[in-house]
Amino acid sequence: RKEVEQDPGPFNVPEGATVAFNCTYSNSASQSFFWYRQDCRKEPKLLMSVYSSGNEDGRFTAQLNRASQYISLLIRDSKLSDSATYLCAVTRTTNAGKSTFGDGTTLTVKP
Amino acid sequence: GAVVSQHPSWVICKSGTSVKIECRSLDFQATTMFWYRQFPKQSLMLMATSNEGSKATYEQGVEKDKFLINHASLTLSTLTVTSAHPEDSSFYICSATSGGDTGELFFGEGSRLTVL
Repeated sequence: RKEVEQDPGPFNVPEGATVAFNCTYSNSASQSFFWYRQDCRKEPKLLMSVYSSGNEDGRFTAQLNRASQYISLLIRDSKLSDSATYLCAVTRTTNAGKSTFGDGTTLTVKP
Repeated sequence: GAVVSQHPSWVICKSGTSVKIECRSLDFQATTMFWYRQFPKQSLMLMATSNEGSKATYEQGVEKDKFLINHASLTLSTLTVTSAHPEDSSFYICSATSGGDTGELFFGEGSRLTVL
């Protein structure tokens, strides 16, 4: 079993749709959680850190469920510009930086 | 946020040659940098952890003699793909942390290597 598993894609949604991605992790010692966005042929860029209390940034909401060992990303009112691959990342200890990435979920938002 | 710069962005080389990729942290000191490889439509695969002033720690299955990593200063790590072959063609990305407690990674722009 992979240490970090993501929803298989691709997700194809119309503009304005709400879409949710899930990511599960197997190591209960994991401490830091992130969602990265990666555009085609580009490097990943941090979208959001994920906190136990959940966090929201505009149309994006990230949540962490430690008991069930998963994190989620909700995108509301999808825009064409949201089309990208979304990677979840998990680190076992803070201040170490060694993250394990999921395989990524590709989102395509269509007009 | 912190800035990490990677060079070159693109490189095409002949089989058997060696290619060096540089990763620089521009506005912070990075005692630890990470090197990843990414094949098309696949996720990032951690190759090694680069530690300033010491030997890199390689992930299982990554040949250390094939992928030479040097981290001679707090702002520069280099990855050298030695005797490159077509199967080494890939997207190589470095990342670094700024040392804070968040664990956030800052990525270089990536280097796309094509070996002919």
